[in-house]
Amino acid sequence: NAGVMQNPRHLVRRRGQEARLRCSPVKGHSHVYWYRQLPEEGLKFMVYLQKENIIDESGMPKERFSAEFPKEGPSILRIQQVVRGDSAAYFCASSLGTYANTGELFFGEGSRLTVL
Amino acid sequence: DQQVKQNSPSLSVQEGRISILNCDYTNSMFDYFLWYKKYPAEGPTFLISISSIKDKNEDGRFTVFLNKSAKHLSLHIVPSQPGDSAVYFCAARASNFGNEKLTFGTGTRLTIIP
Repeated sequence: NAGVMQNPRHLVRRRGQEARLRCSPVKGHSHVYWYRQLPEEGLKFMVYLQKENIIDESGMPKERFSAEFPKEGPSILRIQQVVRGDSAAYFCASSLGTYANTGELFFGEGSRLTVL
Repeated sequence: DQQVKQNSPSLSVQEGRISILNCDYTNSMFDYFLWYKKYPAEGPTFLISISSIKDKNEDGRFTVFLNKSAKHLSLHIVPSQPGDSAVYFCAARASNFGNEKLTFGTGTRLTIIP
């Protein structure tokens, strides 16, 4: 399966703990996007990364949230000191990043975070 | 500020009939529009897209129509099948030096009645 791989699929944390979500893009894709879906809502853009660079973090909360996409290894979305409102499904998507492509983003199956 | 709006949270259609899902947008800079389908506990999967230079794109049972002057697009599924029951998200992109960030609507839950 050469699709976007996310893990863990389910994560339970207590308030104040840290959550780390990992995303391996489609092989050959160098652009990664993170989205959050709250219950009964649409997908909200959080951050767009290329290898070793954050390109657009306009949707990322200013505190407690961070993202990286290192030269080697998966992209990581890190949430520090989680609160109940962080409970959501977090989706990662990837693309080739060429302007002329169809614009399609390939999504992973998501990581569902539950904060107790 | 909801730049992409899907005003119908749910829609029920008889199997074999046409399903029409609607989407409105406010940002004039959007130049590419996509529809994604999502099953519970899965990620969204791409269905069909349309560039702002076109007004129609067809792929099998799926057709997307774009009315730029009204800032409105719609997805037609005909004939509707039980496997089409899912949440459908409209998404839009404002091309910006390779930033393919998509802005999503809130989704429409389509139920196909056998």
